Amino acid sequence: GEDVEQSLFLSVREGDSSVINCTYTDSSSTYLYWYKQEPGAGLQLLTYIFSNMDMKQDQRLTVLLNKKDKHLSLRIADTQTGDSAIYFCAESIGPALIFGKGTTLSVSS
Amino acid sequence: DAGITQSPRHKVTETGTPVTLRCHQTENHRYMYWYRQDPGHGLRLIHYSYGVKDTDKGEVSDGYSVSRSKTEDFLLTLESATSSQTSVYFCAISESFVGSAEAFFGQGTRLTVV
Repeated sequence: GEDVEQSLFLSVREGDSSVINCTYTDSSSTYLYWYKQEPGAGLQLLTYIFSNMDMKQDQRLTVLLNKKDKHLSLRIADTQTGDSAIYFCAESIGPALIFGKGTTLSVSS
Repeated sequence: DAGITQSPRHKVTETGTPVTLRCHQTENHRYMYWYRQDPGHGLRLIHYSYGVKDTDKGEVSDGYSVSRSKTEDFLLTLESATSSQTSVYFCAISESFVGSAEAFFGQGTRLTVV
């Protein structure tokens, strides 16, 4: 089956950088995504990267893609308490988005 | 949020009863999806629709049916609810095929089957 793997928990201090890692399965995935879910809410698209890119930067967010290793990472610079949430990596396969189980980011002040 | 409304937001039902969840969009997007979210599993695709009356199965479709009679509405039906269907259900929409367009998610419906 298709599995997108993520570490389950990450704890950082306010002001530090956070790096959330993900490995995906389908080398033909066109887009790879990062979604954020706050408690009791739906999923919010944070950013995505096209498969022919190595890196994408958007304000405090940096996405790195290593296609050879099928590895995707999300770096959040200057992490704030408001960044505490669950972060999901997803790849597009056919008509579906295949999600990882999510990484819970806890930010302490 | 994109114009997606899920109803109801919360529901408790008894085992064996039928349940219908509704997703309504105001974006006129062609594609609509139903996902379920469970601890330890992330989100998994149940069914999706690529147009009025055009639907197909996802990864975890057993026990669920869907209907789309209008562009704006996508209904998910549990014909006979079971405790294993206790979950949070999310509807999503996208303008085109998900691999080429952003998918927007609704706020979710928390369903408890007792």
